[in-house]
Amino acid sequence: SYDLTQPPSVSVSPGQTASITCSGDKLGNKYVCWYQKKPGQSPVLVIYQDIKRPSGIPERFSGSNSGNTATLTISGTQAMDEADYYCQAWDFSIVVFGGGTKLTVL
Amino acid sequence: QVQLVESGGGLVKPGGSLRLSCAASGFSFSDYYVSWIRQAPGKGLEWVSYISTSGSIIYYADSVRGRFTISRDNANNLLHLHMNSLRVEDTAVYYCARDQIADRPPDYYMDVWGKGTTVTVSS
Repeated sequence: SYDLTQPPSVSVSPGQTASITCSGDKLGNKYVCWYQKKPGQSPVLVIYQDIKRPSGIPERFSGSNSGNTATLTISGTQAMDEADYYCQAWDFSIVVFGGGTKLTVL
Repeated sequence: QVQLVESGGGLVKPGGSLRLSCAASGFSFSDYYVSWIRQAPGKGLEWVSYISTSGSIIYYADSVRGRFTISRDNANNLLHLHMNSLRVEDTAVYYCARDQIADRPPDYYMDVWGKGTTVTVSS
């Protein structure tokens, strides 16, 4: 089975840039998307097809994917961005989620 | 507006059964793949199953294959998840989601999510 690995936690100061990584074998050959999940709320798609933002997602959210690592970058991080973030890819018809990263805005 | 609303969750004993439903509105349900995803308490998101537009293509996670059955009723814009032989570890919030899928290059993501329904398996 295909595995996606994320760091359990990332901390960032308000206004700074947060980077959350997602690693997998030859991940750069697959499309990656990212979801934001806040407690008690449904997941929200924030990045799809590696770099695209859905309508309504702030420009401070961006993505990249190359080699074995995809990265979600949040520029000018705000307190409202504190949440769990999950990467997701599709491998031989199976949906795979990363373990999630808790972003703390200190 | 585009909406998914889950129902059917509850408390069930180990070995029991439950049927979850997801009502879709605001979009052409029959044109989309749809999925079930769950989140156990304190754990991450886990994909459970998806079904194609016509129901002819179905995939399950290893953890539920043989116990859960996904189905859809396009005439009534409904998605179902029949859960049998439930285990304590199936305790989770279950979400349905609308899927976007492409073959070339392969791409799969969920762009609309319901609010979830809670399943608790306990004696």
